[in-house]
Amino acid sequence: DAGVIQSPRHEVTEMGQEVTLRCKPISGHDYLFWYRQTMMRGLELLIYFNNNVPIDDSGMPEDRFSAKMPNASFSTLKIQPSEPRDSAVYFCASSPSTVGYTFGSGTRLTVV
Amino acid sequence: DQQVKQNSPSLSVQEGRISILNCDYTNSMFDYFLWYKKYPAEGPTFLISISSIKDKNEDGRFTVFLNKSAKHLSLHIVPSQPGDSAVYFCAASGRQTGANNLFFGTGTRLTVIP
Repeated sequence: DAGVIQSPRHEVTEMGQEVTLRCKPISGHDYLFWYRQTMMRGLELLIYFNNNVPIDDSGMPEDRFSAKMPNASFSTLKIQPSEPRDSAVYFCASSPSTVGYTFGSGTRLTVV
Repeated sequence: DQQVKQNSPSLSVQEGRISILNCDYTNSMFDYFLWYKKYPAEGPTFLISISSIKDKNEDGRFTVFLNKSAKHLSLHIVPSQPGDSAVYFCAASGRQTGANNLFFGTGTRLTVIP
């Protein structure tokens, strides 16, 4: 099993541009989570899906952020337009029905 | 508002000694607690967990202690090894808060000095 796969590993973009982060969860995991890591707040949950359906998006900071899960093997997190304060490491994680997250290696986003 | 707090951003320990990482939580509905370990450029990986029905869980060199009345848990690593140098995240969840929704602390960077 390749684990949770995230792409790209690094993204540098200019303020105002659209950014799309991608995630492939572990096959058979019913839950998919998007987290953001910052020094000040640690790991913050942005949104999570169960069986491809968004369950809780209360952590999504603004309307500029959106996430989709069109099928069980793919999810995207989009930021449009991006701002410098969005710079962080974004993690995707998946889990089976019980608690037991497996994280991807993360996408380091830098907005200049 | 941080529901899970790790007040020590960093800790340095000599190899062979005990490392104690602390975590406090505010939500009394949490009933399951986990520790994750994170190396640079990698995602966090699960280390050890404890249910609220226990006060101690041990796995090799790693032991987690839970004090429900104080809303405090700690991770003990003994003996500490240089390979333990990483960032450690405390996390909590509860049925009322969404059993699959983990709340994380800000992390403690452990450095084990050879």
